[in-house]
Amino acid sequence: DAMVIQNPRYQVTQFGKPVTLSCSQTLNHNVMYWYQQKSSQAPKLLFHYYDKDFNNEADTPDNFQSRRPNTSFCFLDIRSPGLGDAAMYLCATSREDRSPDTQYFGPGTRLTVL
Amino acid sequence: GIQVEQSPPDLILQEGANSTLRCNFSDSVNNLQWFHQNPWGQLINLFYIPSGTKQNGRLSATTVATERYSLLYISSSQTTDSGVYFCAVHSGGSNYKLTFGKGTLLTVNP
Repeated sequence: DAMVIQNPRYQVTQFGKPVTLSCSQTLNHNVMYWYQQKSSQAPKLLFHYYDKDFNNEADTPDNFQSRRPNTSFCFLDIRSPGLGDAAMYLCATSREDRSPDTQYFGPGTRLTVL
Repeated sequence: GIQVEQSPPDLILQEGANSTLRCNFSDSVNNLQWFHQNPWGQLINLFYIPSGTKQNGRLSATTVATERYSLLYISSSQTTDSGVYFCAVHSGGSNYKLTFGKGTLLTVNP
């Protein structure tokens, strides 16, 4: 089945130690998104890629970076995680971003910062 | 930006009961999606429904775009329906960005 895959499902890191979360998709979608979801809150968009074009949300901290080496993969890098970065990180895809389109979500990576 | 409000914030049901969840939005939308977030955190697409009515098994949804609301109906609820239900919209000014409501936490007791 075509899907969005995230690894790992659970990640523990130390305060200030860089961490990378990974997302892959077999849907061949043009657009990939990263969302942050803190406990009991709605998902919040961090950034998205349309093909290789990177689009950062205005309020996304500089501590968060992303890479998309090819259509199938996208990475979220947190350069110096703080305690406030502990959250569920959700990857999503859609075919297009210039027209309304369904977004499909992966299972998420739950990040713990010690 | 567009505001999305969901009600009720919390709902507790006995298995077999029916329920209606509501989503109000403050501006016209190009897209509206309903999601179920299961206890493990995965967001599962339920409906893409910018207008009209759709049904999928025990679930159905209706969006009245002119009146800026959408309803999600769950009939004969089961314990596996428990979780958070989110409504999310694209508004005209930002086609890519889904704006989420705060969700409805549904608990279905056996």
